[in-house]
Amino acid sequence: AQTVTQSQPEMSVQEAETVTLSCTYDTSESDYYLFWYKQPPSRQMILVIRQEAYKQQNATENRFSVNFQKAAKSFSLKISDSQLGDAAMYFCAYRRPGTQGGSEKLVFGKGTKLTVNP
Amino acid sequence: DVKVTQSSRYLVKRTGEKVFLECVQDMDHENMFWYRQDPGLGLRLIYFSYDVKMKEKGDIPEGYSVSREKKERFSLILESASTNQTSMYLCASNSLVFSYEQYFGPGTRLTVT
Repeated sequence: AQTVTQSQPEMSVQEAETVTLSCTYDTSESDYYLFWYKQPPSRQMILVIRQEAYKQQNATENRFSVNFQKAAKSFSLKISDSQLGDAAMYFCAYRRPGTQGGSEKLVFGKGTKLTVNP
Repeated sequence: DVKVTQSSRYLVKRTGEKVFLECVQDMDHENMFWYRQDPGLGLRLIYFSYDVKMKEKGDIPEGYSVSREKKERFSLILESASTNQTSMYLCASNSLVFSYEQYFGPGTRLTVT
């Protein structure tokens, strides 16, 4: 069974600094997707960034980028120029490809609580 | 914008009561999901549905059932609520065609006393 591990229950960063959140996963599949989701306090969970395993290039979305190391099964999230609004729970998630019945399920890590200090 | 709504943000029920949590999405998504979120445990999948009247068990289905009579609505049912079902419940949906992202509702914080 696939598992996702986030080893940092809590992290903090100074405003405008850079922080990296760690995620490792275990799978025997060669083709899959990885995601980082953000859950701000009392607000809905939203997708931050995704990575397709077949792509060697690391995904980037504005201040958010990932370091995807397929052989090491590592998928870290880097937040540059941290802002107060980045404070949230961050969840790493894994998903197998497919179109129906079972394959759409996400496996989540336990989350990392990020605090941004002014 | 995709909208996933849940019937209540906060709910307090007594042990043994039958509890219904409702979720509605407005984007004609085929897939809908119910998760449970607990501190230190992350999100765990209870049930999901990939079509009307179709359902599959997730990782922690015990004590729960679901109903999907219409495509836009997915209900989670606690047949006899227990205190260990006190938790945050999140609903999500996504499209079969553009299935890269699951869209989440705001969550229902259920307290069973």
